Amino acid sequence: AAGVIQSPRHLIKEKRETATLKCYPIPRHDTVYWYQQGPGQDPQFLISFYEKMQSDKGSIPDRFSAQQFSDYHSELNMSSLELGDSALYFCASSLPTGSSTDTQYFGPGTRLTVL
Amino acid sequence: AQTVTQSQPEMSVQEAETVTLSCTYDTSESDYYLFWYKQPPSRQMILVIRQEAYKQQNATENRFSVNFQKAAKSFSLKISDSQLGDAAMYFCAYRIDTGANSKLTFGKGITLSVRP
Repeated sequence: AAGVIQSPRHLIKEKRETATLKCYPIPRHDTVYWYQQGPGQDPQFLISFYEKMQSDKGSIPDRFSAQQFSDYHSELNMSSLELGDSALYFCASSLPTGSSTDTQYFGPGTRLTVL
Repeated sequence: AQTVTQSQPEMSVQEAETVTLSCTYDTSESDYYLFWYKQPPSRQMILVIRQEAYKQQNATENRFSVNFQKAAKSFSLKISDSQLGDAAMYFCAYRIDTGANSKLTFGKGITLSVRP
């Protein structure tokens, strides 16, 4: 079965640089979530999209922005990177909430290291 | 705000034995979902089991089952016939049942080790 695809899998950036993380949801999934998992931490919700519109926003820094495109893939743009942004970034996708199978399925994550 | 608490940071189980991982949560909502996700060393987040709050019957998936006590706001995971591949971090997660606010709120996780 097709899974959530994230690219790149690993990314190394310098402080103050920018980074773009991409997420391709499972086919027919129109809802995308982004989570950040710091070292030894639980995943923290950043932002979500449903049908290309932002549906919810969590503790996402103003330096970060995201969008969902017409093909339902999503991109997380991170600017002015800081050391504290080093983390594993997960994308998850689901069918619309209320569907009989609206469980979130996670991608493998993008490991971002900021030097 | 909803919170999820996993008070045991680590647990260990002998291969082929049974282990129970604890989770409690706090919410004022009546409709919600609860999940257990497994995160092995690869860091992939893998769904283990899901429970709808409106269902009284406890969910089961092969060797995995839950004990859902809605009044006590408790949601424990039982792993039977533990296998070496079960060694991982396990996260309990909560999700409210509304259209826009479907984000998952996770507990701090518990590291499960399996002794051969």
